Amino acid sequence: DIQMTQSPSSLSASVGDRVTITCRASQGISNYLAWFQQKPGKAPKSLIYAASSLQSGVPSKFSGSGSGTDFTLTISNVQPEDFATYSCLQYNSYPLTFGGGTKVEIK
Amino acid sequence: EVQLVESGGGLVQPGGSLRLSCAASGFTFSSHWMNWVRQAPGKGLEWVANIKQDGSEKYYVDSVKGRFTISRDNAKNSLYLQMNSLRDEDTAVYYCARGVLFGIWGQGTMVTVSS
Repeated sequence: DIQMTQSPSSLSASVGDRVTITCRASQGISNYLAWFQQKPGKAPKSLIYAASSLQSGVPSKFSGSGSGTDFTLTISNVQPEDFATYSCLQYNSYPLTFGGGTKVEIK
Repeated sequence: EVQLVESGGGLVQPGGSLRLSCAASGFTFSSHWMNWVRQAPGKGLEWVANIKQDGSEKYYVDSVKGRFTISRDNAKNSLYLQMNSLRDEDTAVYYCARGVLFGIWGQGTMVTVSS
C-alpha cells in the first residue's frame, strides 16, 4: 500500500499569511494526487486534482504542485474561511489512501 | 443541482449488518465511478470502496474485504454499501463521493457499532 505522509499535522497562521502543506508518498504516484478541504461537521470539498489542476469554482488562492513522491498545497492570503483541515489523496493505485490531514488554525 | 444524499446509518451491535444508500441527482449517475469514504470520530479520511460505472469492477480496502459489498443501481441513480459482520472500528461517518477525482461529496451518514 502507498502511505501518504502529510506535514505538518497542524499549523497556526495569521490572516493574510501564505501557508504551505506538504504530502509525501511512499512510492511514486506520478501526478495522481488530489487535495481536499474539510470544515468541522461538514463533508470534504475537492480543491485540486492531478496535483495542480484547480476544481471548478475553487479560488486561485489555492495552488498545488509536485510530481512523483513530493507534493505541496499552497494557500495565499489566508482568510478566516480558509481555516480548516486539508487532506491529500493518492489515486494512483489501490487501495486509495489519504494523508493524515493538516489542521490550519488561526494564530 | 448536483447532489449526493446518504442514508441508512444508525446504531448497530457488533456482528450486525447495515445497508447504506446514496441517492444521486443533478448529473448522469451512470457515467461516473462512485466511492465510499469513511471518517472515524476525530480521525482522518479513509477510502473504503469504489465501483465502476457499469458495476463490472469493484475495489475495497483490505479491512472491509469479505464483509462489505458495494453495488449500484443506475436505473435508480443509487449507490449502496452493504455492511456485514460490523466491528467497533467500523464506527464512522460514511460519505459517498463522485468520480475518480472525488469531485462531489454527500453530507455523510453516521454508523455507530456498539453494544
